[in-house]
Amino acid sequence: KQEVTQIPAALSVPEGENLVLNCSFTDSAIYNLQWFRQDPGKGLTSLLLIQSSQREQTSGRLNASLDKSSGRSTLYIAASQPGDSATYLCLGVNTGKLIFGQGTTLQVKP
Amino acid sequence: KAGVTQTPRYLIKTRGQQVTLSCSPISGHRSVSWYQQTPGQGLQFLFEYFSETQRNKGNFPGRFSGRQFSNSRSEMNVSTLELGDSALYLCASSLIDRGYGYTFGSGTRLTVV
Repeated sequence: KQEVTQIPAALSVPEGENLVLNCSFTDSAIYNLQWFRQDPGKGLTSLLLIQSSQREQTSGRLNASLDKSSGRSTLYIAASQPGDSATYLCLGVNTGKLIFGQGTTLQVKP
Repeated sequence: KAGVTQTPRYLIKTRGQQVTLSCSPISGHRSVSWYQQTPGQGLQFLFEYFSETQRNKGNFPGRFSGRQFSNSRSEMNVSTLELGDSALYLCASSLIDRGYGYTFGSGTRLTVV
C-alpha cells in the first residue's frame, strides 16, 4: 500500500524558532513532492514543489528537500512567526495516485 | 490570473439525494483532480481527469463519479448521499501533467443531514 507519513502530527513552538517537518513515503516511484499549508476551513496553498530532477527548493524562509533513496522529504521553516500557524501537508506524486500525508499542525506562539 | 474556482462554497443536502460540484481550473490547465477531506481520514484522492479522460481513480464507491468538459472544467457527482459523505471537497488543477505541481481551489463544504 502506498503511504505518506508526516511526523510530528502536531508541533507547538515559540516564535523565532527554526523547525523541521518531516514527510516519509513508502513508494520509491514517487517523483514529485509538493508541500502545502492549509488554514482552518480553507483550501490548500502551495508552498514548494520539488520536481523529479531536483533535490531542494527554497522560498523565503522555507526550504524543502527530497531524498528519494531514503523516501524522505523535509520542510525547514526558519525564524517561525505566529502567521506560520497552520497545517502543513505533503503530496507525493507518482504515475498512479496522488497521496497526501495526514499533515503536521503547527502552532507558533508569540 | 484567476485561480481554481469551486462552486458552490457550501451545500446542505439530505441523505439519499444527489449532488453535483463544479470546478473551473486555471486558464490553460488541462488536468483536474478531486479530493475528499474529513477529520478522520484526511485528504483522500478521488479521481483525476486530463483532456476529458479519467486518468486515475481512488478507492471510492461508484456513487462518486466525475467528468471533464472540453474547456477543462470538471464536475463531480455523488449519488445517494450518506451522512459520511459530509466533507470538504477540494479540486486541483495542473498545467499539463503532474510535473508542474497542483493548485487548489477553496473547496466546497458539503453537509449531509
